[in-house]
Amino acid sequence: EAQVTQNPRYLITVTGKKLTVTCSQNMNHEYMSWYRQDPGLGLRQIYYSMNVEVTDKGDVPEGYKVSRKEKRNFPLILESPSPNQTSLYFCASSPAGGRSSYEQYFGPGTRLTVT
Amino acid sequence: GQSLEQPSEVTAVEGAIVQINCTYQTSGFYGLSWYQQHDGGAPTFLSYNALDGLEETGRFSSFLSRSDSYGYLLLQELQMKDSASYFCAVRDRADYKLSFGAGTTVTVRA
Repeated sequence: EAQVTQNPRYLITVTGKKLTVTCSQNMNHEYMSWYRQDPGLGLRQIYYSMNVEVTDKGDVPEGYKVSRKEKRNFPLILESPSPNQTSLYFCASSPAGGRSSYEQYFGPGTRLTVT
Repeated sequence: GQSLEQPSEVTAVEGAIVQINCTYQTSGFYGLSWYQQHDGGAPTFLSYNALDGLEETGRFSSFLSRSDSYGYLLLQELQMKDSASYFCAVRDRADYKLSFGAGTTVTVRA
């Protein structure tokens, strides 16, 4: 089954404790992206990657890191989480070019709470 | 940068037609897409417009006017299961950054 998986689905942590949210896709997609969703603000892009070893900042990259060492994986790293990073996070993937690049496949989401 | 505006809420009855407008400002337009998100779920792709005109997919249609920086999603023959949030999104031509609107919550009443 074609899918994007994220782990963990729920996480409660404390300020300053480094964490990683994993994202994996099995569709051989080049493009992968991370979003955060907050009430009234919609989805805001954090980082995206056009292919292995190619990453770029989205609209809200501060406080986050990513890496793309393999095509299927795109982990999101919070080196020192703060309460304002409490949010619902989505990973997504798509082909890089052509019409199908507009059809982003989203993971189930990770609800993060930083206390 | 990019910015998108869409209404925050729309309420309609079953069987009705709803139009969700989206206006955008972008430095390099590369297409407008629409996503649906049910409560507690992940966004799912509905449609995409790169050129002016109407794209129809079953009960849902999407329209784009690049000269007006405007598009809309048309939901016809509304059903209770269409109660969800709907987001428009634009991609920047230069860097493939994707920006979403804040979303429109559609509530369908019996």
